[in-house]
Formats: sequence, C-alpha cells, structure tokens
Amino acid sequence: DVKVTQSSRYLVKRTGEKVFLECVQDMDHENMFWYRQDPGLGLRLIYFSYDVKMKEKGDIPEGYSVSREKKERFSLILESASTNQTSMYLCASTPGRRNEAFFGQGTRLTVV
Amino acid sequence: GENVEQHPSTLSVQEGDSAVIKCTYSDSASNYFPWYKQELGKRPQLIIDIRSNVGEKKDQRIAVTLNKTAKHFSLHITETQPEDSAVYFCAASSNAGNMLTFGGGTRLMVKP
Repeated sequence: DVKVTQSSRYLVKRTGEKVFLECVQDMDHENMFWYRQDPGLGLRLIYFSYDVKMKEKGDIPEGYSVSREKKERFSLILESASTNQTSMYLCASTPGRRNEAFFGQGTRLTVV
Repeated sequence: GENVEQHPSTLSVQEGDSAVIKCTYSDSASNYFPWYKQELGKRPQLIIDIRSNVGEKKDQRIAVTLNKTAKHFSLHITETQPEDSAVYFCAASSNAGNMLTFGGGTRLMVKP
C-alpha cells in the first residue's frame, strides 16, 4: 500500500510565523505535489516537484515556497503566515506521468 | 496553463437514480483524465480514469466518457447508493503529464 503521510493533521499558527508542512511518501515516487483545498474552489496546485531539488510553481505559489532535499520528502513553507492562508493542505505523489495520484490525509491549518 | 471547470457544484439524487457530473478542459494537449472521490474527513482517492485514446470506460456502476473534440468528459454513476455520497473531483493532466489540474468539485448527496 502506498503511503503518503503529512506531519500534522491540525495546526494553529499566528500571523507572521514561519510554518513548515511536511510530507513523506514511501513508494519512491518521482512527483510530489502540494495542493490547497477550499470550499467551492477544488484543489488548487501550489507547487510540485518532479525530482530532488527540482520544483515548479503551480497556480497559486504566492506566499509559499517548497523544499525537496530527498526523494521521499516534500516540504511546504509559509514564509510569513497570513489569515488568508487558513485552509486544508493536501500533499500528493505520483510514480510518473499520467498516473494515479496518492494523497496524504491533509493538514488543516488555521492562522490566527 | 490548463483550466478545468466542473458542474454542477452540488447534486442531490434519490437512491437508485443516476448521477452525471461534467467537466470541461482548456488544454488540447491534455490526455489523462482521472476522477477522485473524497468522503467526509478523508483523503481523495482515485475511482476511475481515462486516457485520450479511448472514448469510454466502465467499472461496475461507474463510467467515464471523453469527447476530445469538444474537450469535455463526464462521470456517470448508475443505481446510486447512500455510500456514493461524497465530493467528486475531475482532473486533467498538463505539462507533458506531470501536473494534474483539478475541477472545483461536486458534492453528491444520495438520499435514501
């Protein structure tokens, strides 16, 4: 069974804090993704990575950065958290092109 | 980049009826179209996918159709059951297949 694990299920942070969301997959997948899920807006891609140290901006990268130092781990960084970044964050991985995406359980982040 | 629109945003059907969810996409180079189901509080999971070399695919009560000329694809669920109640997302791949763009989601409610 493919496992994609996000480090926290729930997180509460203060405005201006630097926030790290961690994601680990155990199936040697090449591609990893960070999505943000908001009601009515679906899953919007923040960043993705197709290899170690490689990253590509998605549709809404502003206010976020990412790090992929090892193949199995993909981190999302909120440099200075703001209230409009309160959301559900989902990590996903795929083994290659045009393949099933496996999702983590999600991190519900609240910025106060 | 790719843009995926999904309709309707909510759908309520009686148990045993059929449900149809429609998506359109913008990038004519997209060639992989998965559908994900997300039950309340759970992660999205793939239920069916279709590649551009076929027009229809069925898996028991679920079918997906693809019209590449019109750039739209649809999910059909027959004989709906209460356990079909969930949010459904369509998606299309772009950027040579590495990136999935999701629609806004459809909340399906099956009334017993």
